[in-house]
Amino acid sequence: NAGVTQTPKFRVLKTGQSMTLLCAQDMNHEYMYWYRQDPGMGLRLIHYSVGEGTTAKGEVPDGYNVSRLKKQNFLLGLESAAPSQTSVYFCASSYTGRLDRYEQYFGPGTRLTVT
Amino acid sequence: SQQGEEDPQALSIQEGENATMNCSYKTSINNLQWYRQNSGRGLVHLILIRSNEREKHSGRLRVTLDTSKKSSSLLITASRAADTASYFCATASNFGNEKLTFGTGTRLTIIP
Repeated sequence: NAGVTQTPKFRVLKTGQSMTLLCAQDMNHEYMYWYRQDPGMGLRLIHYSVGEGTTAKGEVPDGYNVSRLKKQNFLLGLESAAPSQTSVYFCASSYTGRLDRYEQYFGPGTRLTVT
Repeated sequence: SQQGEEDPQALSIQEGENATMNCSYKTSINNLQWYRQNSGRGLVHLILIRSNEREKHSGRLRVTLDTSKKSSSLLITASRAADTASYFCATASNFGNEKLTFGTGTRLTIIP
């Protein structure tokens, strides 16, 4: 099993450009999450999905959109990148939403710089 | 807003010593989890403690939870160089516990 993979690993964007980050998991997990990690801030939840075809907002959703067309994939989109979106983005998945029984599995991260 | 705050922000100890880091949180929780992050990598789950548990062990890890003080501690015994990493606590609330709220982390450095 590859676990959780993220594409790309690094990306540099100019302000106003758009891009999509891809997360894939091969563990048949129902729940998937997108976080951003900034220095001194820990991880903050952007959006999450409780199953194929569903999405929900997290703590910091503004400026991002997501889609979960297939159970194994969760896409994070930036329509018009801003320097404030410079961050490391992590995708995670869990078997169910019962996080008292099942932990989250994380991908390796995507380092995004917006100039 | 961050639910958890770790203390200290950074900790350096000699190999073989014990390392203790603390986490405080603000609201009632269903469970609290600890994760490790090696430099440049994703987070890895270490241990979970439920709100009705007070202490839990896993190998060299010991976690305590005091819900009256809204705090938890992670003890790593007999530290090794490979334990060098950042450690995060994460809480799942009683309402909508499908989401985790992460603290700001403790950077642990083990000196060989």
